[in-house]
Amino acid sequence: GDSVTQMEGPVTLSEEAFLTINCTYTATGYPSLFWYVQYPGEGLQLLLKATKADDKGSNKGFEATYRKETTSFHLEKGSVQVSDSAVYFCALSGNDYKLSFGAGTTVTVRA
Amino acid sequence: NAGVTQTPKFQVLKTGQSMTLQCAQDMNHNSMYWYRQDPGMGLRLIYYSASEGTTDKGEVPNGYNVSRLNKREFSLRLESAAPSQTSVYFCASSDTGGFTEAFFGQGTRLTVV
Repeated sequence: GDSVTQMEGPVTLSEEAFLTINCTYTATGYPSLFWYVQYPGEGLQLLLKATKADDKGSNKGFEATYRKETTSFHLEKGSVQVSDSAVYFCALSGNDYKLSFGAGTTVTVRA
Repeated sequence: NAGVTQTPKFQVLKTGQSMTLQCAQDMNHNSMYWYRQDPGMGLRLIYYSASEGTTDKGEVPNGYNVSRLNKREFSLRLESAAPSQTSVYFCASSDTGGFTEAFFGQGTRLTVV
C-alpha cells in the first residue's frame, strides 16, 4: 500500500539556520503530498501541499517540491526561527481516499 | 467556527472496560478519519470513512470499531480496552478524501491501566 518515509529526528538547529527534512513516498498512481505541523499540545495543521508532479508548495517561508522521478517531497526553510519548533509530518493521499502519515520529525530551534 | 470537536479530552480506563470516543465536524466534509499517535510511530490510521455510509480499515484496526452516524459524526469504540491502546487519538475530516486540507481535532489522551 501507499506509504511515507521521512527523516528521523530529532533535529536541533540555531536560529537563522537552514532546515531540510527529507520525505520519500511509495504510491500507485498520482498521490497528493502534504506537510503538516504539530505545535506542542495541539492537533495537526496543514503547512503546505502539492497535488501534481513539479508543483511547489509554500507557506510561512517553508517550501517543498513534488518530485515524481525521485518520489520525494523534501521540506526546506532558509532561515528558521524559535517559533518553528514543532513536529513536522509528511503525508500523502491517494486514490483510495486514505491519508497516510510519516513518523514525524521533531525540530527544536535554539535562540 | 468549531471545526472538528473530539470528546473527551482525557480518559483513564481499566483493562477490559469499553468506551466510545466521539468526533463531530461542522464543515460539511465528506471524509473522516481516526488516528492514533504514539512516540516514534507518527500517526497511524485506525479507520476512515470516505463518505457517509462507508467505513474502511486503516493500518491498525484491531481492537477498534467505528460508526459513521451521519455526515457530521464519526465515533471510535474500544470494546475491551488493553494497555497497548494507551495513546493519543486524533479525529480528522476533509472535503474530498484527503486531497484537500484535513482538519484535526485537539486529540484525546487515553490511558489504559
